[in-house]
Amino acid sequence: EILMTQSPATLSVSPGERATLSCRASQSVGRNLAWYQQKPGQAPRLLIYGASTRATGIPARFSASGSGTEFTLTFSSLQSEDFAVYYCQQYNSWMYTFGQGTKLEIK
Amino acid sequence: EVQLVESGGGVVRPGGSLRLSCAASGFTFDDFGMTWVRQAPGKGLELVAAVNWQGGNIGYADSVKGRFTISRDNAKKSLYLQMNSLRVEDTALYHCARQGSSWDWYFDLWGRGTLVSVSS
Repeated sequence: EILMTQSPATLSVSPGERATLSCRASQSVGRNLAWYQQKPGQAPRLLIYGASTRATGIPARFSASGSGTEFTLTFSSLQSEDFAVYYCQQYNSWMYTFGQGTKLEIK
Repeated sequence: EVQLVESGGGVVRPGGSLRLSCAASGFTFDDFGMTWVRQAPGKGLELVAAVNWQGGNIGYADSVKGRFTISRDNAKKSLYLQMNSLRVEDTALYHCARQGSSWDWYFDLWGRGTLVSVSS
């Protein structure tokens, strides 16, 4: 099973600032990596698949990159609605696994 | 409206059973693989089981293998999870989710979940 490790566990940022979240895989997953956003009481929402492709309706201020074992999710300018928990997920090989999440909170 | 709605959760004693259902609407259900993902209180996401579009290819997390059974009825546009020999550690919110593409197992549509509580 591939272990996905996200860092940091919590990131405190002010609205309007840039922020970068990291996700590391214990072995290569190619570009088979997705990112999700989850707000309290809501289901997860797909943001990114294929390591860098934004899902339908996801604004351009979200960008992602990486391949192999190192991936990042970047917010160019944080909006109030972006404060949430973010998860990465590898789907390169079964068992498909999620990271433990990064909580993005308002500073 | 394109949506997934889960049902069937509840409170059960250790060793008991529950059957979860997920009703799909607004899309061609049998075009997509489906999965159950659970989230223990205050914790992250764990994929529990997945099934391909026709039901012939199934996988389980080691933590539930031999106890849980995923199935689907394409005519009823429904996904199921039969959970037997439940343990306290199975307590979680169970989401069903749709495979994002024919080849890739990311998930582009999620239900809000149904809560399973295993307690004596």
